[in-house]
Amino acid sequence: AQSVTQLDSHVSVSEGTPVLLRCNYSSSYSPSLFWYVQHPNKGLQLLLKYTSAATLVKGINGFEAEFKKSETSFHLTKPSAHMSDAAEYFCVVSDHRNAGNMLTFGGGTRLMVKP
Amino acid sequence: NAGVTQTPKFQVLKTGQSMTLQCAQDMNHEYMSWYRQDPGMGLRLIHYSVGAGITDQGEVPNGYNVSRSTTEDFPLRLLSAAPSQTSVYFCASTRFGKETQYFGPGTRLLVL
Repeated sequence: AQSVTQLDSHVSVSEGTPVLLRCNYSSSYSPSLFWYVQHPNKGLQLLLKYTSAATLVKGINGFEAEFKKSETSFHLTKPSAHMSDAAEYFCVVSDHRNAGNMLTFGGGTRLMVKP
Repeated sequence: NAGVTQTPKFQVLKTGQSMTLQCAQDMNHEYMSWYRQDPGMGLRLIHYSVGAGITDQGEVPNGYNVSRSTTEDFPLRLLSAAPSQTSVYFCASTRFGKETQYFGPGTRLLVL
């Protein structure tokens, strides 16, 4: 079985300061890991993904995440927050038991950016 | 490509009514799935399909039916709506061997 825990349900930062959204996972198989973003009343957009290549993954809009197997973590970071980053972020794990790659979502972290 | 499309965008039902949420994709993806999104719980898998004629249950299948008669379409049926089915529903698709799933814009369902 696989599971994802997003350690903070809400994170508030000031514009221009760093962002850290924390994610821990468990998986019986070599997982693939994703971060998706959902802006208010919108669908889900892929930010980045880890699929067993480089452990530091760069995504869109200046976000990156580091896969740490020893810590079973996949935290999302950004050096400098922008107002447009305010959204809900989901950490997602996928194993390879199913050819279609079943996804397991974390509970989400709502990022608020203060001016 | 239109990608993944969902209709309707918003629906209000009364308890006991039935309805079908539509999902279509034009990317020739084999794998399609339905998720529901509830506050604090992320998205949970309802049903999925690995190809036309093949469907299987996900984490929360009770109260929902699906069928897959074509590669493009994957409708989700609520046979007798309950207030617990008030949620936002997302359809997604992907190709075998590819890991990025593409999500539709969602259907917001309110059951009174």
